[in-house]
Amino acid sequence: ETTVTQSPASLSMAIGEKVTIRCITSTDIDDDMNWYQQKPGEPPKLLISEGNTLRPGVPSRFSSSGYGTDFVFTIENMLSEDVADYYCLQSDNLPLTFGGGTKLEIK
Amino acid sequence: EVQLVESGGGLVQPGGSLKLSCAASGFTFSSYGMSWVRQTPDKRLELVATINSNGGSTYYPDSVKGRFTISRDNAKNTLYLQMSSLKSEDTAMYYCARDHSYWGQGTLVTVSA
Repeated sequence: ETTVTQSPASLSMAIGEKVTIRCITSTDIDDDMNWYQQKPGEPPKLLISEGNTLRPGVPSRFSSSGYGTDFVFTIENMLSEDVADYYCLQSDNLPLTFGGGTKLEIK
Repeated sequence: EVQLVESGGGLVQPGGSLKLSCAASGFTFSSYGMSWVRQTPDKRLELVATINSNGGSTYYPDSVKGRFTISRDNAKNTLYLQMSSLKSEDTAMYYCARDHSYWGQGTLVTVSA
């Protein structure tokens, strides 16, 4: 089973700042990493899928990079509407495994 | 538009059983693998079952293997999760997901005496 370690667990950023979240996997997963946003009372929403592919309709201020075992999710110019929990998910092998999540708040 | 609507959650005693359903619409259900993912009160996410498009292959993590059974009825566009021998640690919001891209709103399962 691939373990996914996500950091930081929480983040407090000012509007307009750049947000960076990292996920490290215990095995090489190529670029089979996905990134989700979850707001209170809602299910996780897929923002970025395998191959660092931005999903349709997702703003371009969201991006990701990485290959192998080290992955980074970025929000350029944070907006108030970006306050949420963020999760990474490796989809390279079963069981699919999630990172522990990052709670993003406004400073 | 892809829609996934879960039902069947509720309060159940430890050792009890519950069957969840997920009604799918907006896509060709029989063409996609489906999963159940749960989110525990501490917000941790865990895949609990996966089934391929024709129902011929399933996968369960050790945490639920032998207690949970995933199935599907492609004629009814419906996914199921039969849960038995439930434990307090199974308390969670259960989401139905199409591959890992589209998720329903979830149904809450609480295991408590």
